[in-house]
Amino acid sequence: EPEVTQTPSHQVTQMGQEVILRCVPISNHLYFYWYRQILGQKVEFLVSFYNNEISEKSEIFDDQFSVERPDGSNFTLKIRSTKLEDSAMYFCASSVGTLREKLFFGSGTQLSVL
Amino acid sequence: DAKTTQPTSMDCAEGRAANLPCNHSTISGNEYVYWYRQIHSQGPQYIIHGLKNNETNEMASLIITEDRKSSTLILPHATLRDTAVYYCIVKDNDMRFGAGTRLTVKP
Repeated sequence: EPEVTQTPSHQVTQMGQEVILRCVPISNHLYFYWYRQILGQKVEFLVSFYNNEISEKSEIFDDQFSVERPDGSNFTLKIRSTKLEDSAMYFCASSVGTLREKLFFGSGTQLSVL
Repeated sequence: DAKTTQPTSMDCAEGRAANLPCNHSTISGNEYVYWYRQIHSQGPQYIIHGLKNNETNEMASLIITEDRKSSTLILPHATLRDTAVYYCIVKDNDMRFGAGTRLTVKP
């Protein structure tokens, strides 16, 4: 079964550093998403992306965050200047469409900001 | 701004049916009900979704009341591997997760 791939599985960075989390969505999917989950808390929506544009973003997704689809296969989340509170598991997801379509999630990148 | 209400936790005996309730009294006519689960710290996994008719797939059944204000996810023969947090989501634009129900399947 096709799957969403995320790299790296763990990322450790120093506060204030830039970090890029990478995702390879399922090849025929058109909608892409980032979620995060702080330890012990719920899964939080960050952003959705379609046709090379952000279609929806949450209040968490501020100017420190950006997303990009640099080529036909990768989907990235960049955090410009990481803060301690950015430490979380970040999940990428993709779907064929947005209405009545199920999301396929990757296994996540655990980001630790020191 | 949660659209759904679920019990915080439930237990189920292995081999028995697990019935997970969800209230969504403010659901609108074109909103679907989705169920996902998260096993430990893995990525959420899609289970099933429906609009107003009952649905069944290889994983579970979804029973939606006629007024659509509540639904029940049924795992017909729960196994230890079904221990997870189960999320009921009413989707308008994007899929937003609440706290879910922590289901523990016990031997």
